[in-house]
Amino acid sequence: QQQVKQSPQSLIVQKGGIPIINCAYENTAFDYFPWYQQFPGKGPALLIAIRPDVSEKKEGRFTISFNKSAKQFSLHIMDSQPGDSATYFCAATYGVDSSYKLIFGSGTRLLVRP
Amino acid sequence: DAGVTQSPTHLIKTRGQQVTLRCSPKSGHDTVSWYQQALGQGPQFIFQYYEEEERQRGNFPDRFSGHQFPNYSSELNVNALWLGDSALYLCASSLLVADRDEKLFFGSGTQLSVL
Repeated sequence: QQQVKQSPQSLIVQKGGIPIINCAYENTAFDYFPWYQQFPGKGPALLIAIRPDVSEKKEGRFTISFNKSAKQFSLHIMDSQPGDSATYFCAATYGVDSSYKLIFGSGTRLLVRP
Repeated sequence: DAGVTQSPTHLIKTRGQQVTLRCSPKSGHDTVSWYQQALGQGPQFIFQYYEEEERQRGNFPDRFSGHQFPNYSSELNVNALWLGDSALYLCASSLLVADRDEKLFFGSGTQLSVL
C-alpha cells in the first residue's frame, strides 16, 4: 500500500515531442504528489507538485495530470528539449508530520534526441 | 547561498566496517532527512532529524543511526557494512514549519561502495 508504481522505465523522444510518465498509488491517504528531476551525479530537484483537490497543474513546460478516482497521476513535458534528458521520479506522501517522508517511484530515464 | 552540501562525495569501504557521512543543510533550514538511493532505484527514506532528535524513521535496521548538531548539520552512521549498503546516500533539508510546497532541497549525495 505504501508503493508508488512508475512507468515506463525508460523513454526516448525526439526534440519537441511530449513525453508522458505515469504513476499509480494504492494508499488513499496520500495527499501530496511531487515530481523530481535528477541529473547524473546530482541529487533530485523538485519540478512540480500537486494535491488531490486539483486535476491539473502547469508550471512552464511541465504539467501534472491527476486522476483521484483511478489513483493515478502523470507528468507531461511540452516541447521537450535535449536538456530535459534526465531521470524523473514521482513521489507521494501524506500528513503534515510525514511531509518529508516521501515514497518515491522507481524512476523513468528520459532521453530527448536533437 | 550554498545549498545542501554533503561530504565526502565518494567513499569505498569493506564489509564489516563503519562509515560516517556528513551533511550541512541549506542556510535557514532546520530539518534534515536522509535517503538511500540504490542504483536504478528511487530514493528510500531512512530518517529525519529536527532539534537534534530523530523524528521519523523508515524501514532501516538499527545499524543506521544519525545525529543532528546545534548548527543543524547532520551525520549518518552505518555500522557493520555489508554489500547491500552500496548506494548513493542523499541528504535533504527544509523547514519543519512550512507549507509542503516549500521545496525539499537535496544535496548531490555521497556514493558509498562496499567491497
